[in-house]
Amino acid sequence: RKEVEQDPGPFNVPEGATVAFNCTYSNSASQSFFWYRQDCRKEPKLLMSVYSSGNEDGRFTAQLNRASQYISLLIRDSKLSDSATYLCVVEEGYGQNFVFGPGTRLSVLP
Amino acid sequence: ETGVTQTPRHLVMGMTNKKSLKCEQHLGHNAMYWYKQSAKKPLELMFVYNFKEQTENNSVPSRFSPECPNSSHLFLHLHTLQPEDSALYLCASSQDQQNNEQFFGPGTRLTVL
Repeated sequence: RKEVEQDPGPFNVPEGATVAFNCTYSNSASQSFFWYRQDCRKEPKLLMSVYSSGNEDGRFTAQLNRASQYISLLIRDSKLSDSATYLCVVEEGYGQNFVFGPGTRLSVLP
Repeated sequence: ETGVTQTPRHLVMGMTNKKSLKCEQHLGHNAMYWYKQSAKKPLELMFVYNFKEQTENNSVPSRFSPECPNSSHLFLHLHTLQPEDSALYLCASSQDQQNNEQFFGPGTRLTVL
């Protein structure tokens, strides 16, 4: 069983669309949660940390459901520049282990 | 100077070669990480250093040997690698293991012949 699973994608959406990505994790002791984006042939870049109460940064909203071991990322009003692979990351054991999901690819089309 | 730099950016080596990858961070962070990203696979954490002390080794073969001489520098020494070790090797840093939002370097793309 994979430790961190994500929607397989790819997601192809028109500009302006709202798109949601889901992520589930298997380790109930996980402590911290993040969303990263990775452009083709580039390094991952931190998009946002995910807090228990949910958090929003402009067009991006992240939510955490510890009971269901589920994390989501919502992107509103998609831009062409949002095209990338979105990586869900779960940290286990107080900085001892970071587990990356396989990523979900998003293409925003004109 | 960008936050996390890695050299070389590309490396081709034979199975009997010895080479080293270098990572340097200019963010004043205290934790540094090595990751491996193979095609079609998620990033895999290899090693973690916190305040120059290795705190995690994720069952990495001994042909990969990390070194952290100070909080700003991290090396990955490579010796007798296998073709399946060909991958993108990414370095990251964070404030420390508790404040663990990580910032990545551009990676070294390694090809083992």
